[in-house]
Amino acid sequence: ETGVTQTPRHLVMGMTNKKSLKCEQHLGHNAMYWYKQSAKKPLELMFVYNFKEQTENNSVPSRFSPECPNSSHLFLHLHTLQPEDSALYLCASSPRTNRQQQFFGPGTRLTVL
Amino acid sequence: RKEVEQDPGPFNVPEGATVAFNCTYSNSASQSFFWYRQDCRKEPKLLMSVYSSGNEDGRFTAQLNRASQYISLLIRDSKLSDSATYLCVVSGGSSGGYQKVTFGIGTKLQVIP
Repeated sequence: ETGVTQTPRHLVMGMTNKKSLKCEQHLGHNAMYWYKQSAKKPLELMFVYNFKEQTENNSVPSRFSPECPNSSHLFLHLHTLQPEDSALYLCASSPRTNRQQQFFGPGTRLTVL
Repeated sequence: RKEVEQDPGPFNVPEGATVAFNCTYSNSASQSFFWYRQDCRKEPKLLMSVYSSGNEDGRFTAQLNRASQYISLLIRDSKLSDSATYLCVVSGGSSGGYQKVTFGIGTKLQVIP
């Protein structure tokens, strides 16, 4: 399935590096999300965009910086991360009016050394 | 109390067995309920919605008990391919002007031959 794609699939970075995660959806949705999934924890919603506008930021540290240039693309810029930021980062999209039915991308597995 | 609570398991069951998972939620104003499935190292995917009257999809039956604030998922005649983590998802209340969607930690099911 190629409804929601994410690149890269795996990323290893040092604490001083700057990297970006990319998400693209081909479903015609206008809401996009970034989630963090760590071991033994529920999915943590990080950011929500509706029609390119950020509508939610769930107290995410500033070392994570999202960007949504249009309804189909979403980026997560990473800068001076910590080892505890190592996790699976999932992008999702949904129709704006039906947030419950989200379609997820395959995720980027991030390791911070 | 967690907003959405699940027993993380793992539940190890033999092929052909019937297994049931429960999920409790704390917000009595919650309106919509879902089960997602997440295979190992893959993204979550919507499995089924949960309705007050109960609903069935093949070997899978979902039930909602609003009075006790829990939902359940019953899997009959378990297959090896059912091995996955089952995420309970609850929607309701408001977040940033939109419906809030909360994921449980998931219950891991391992079907053994």
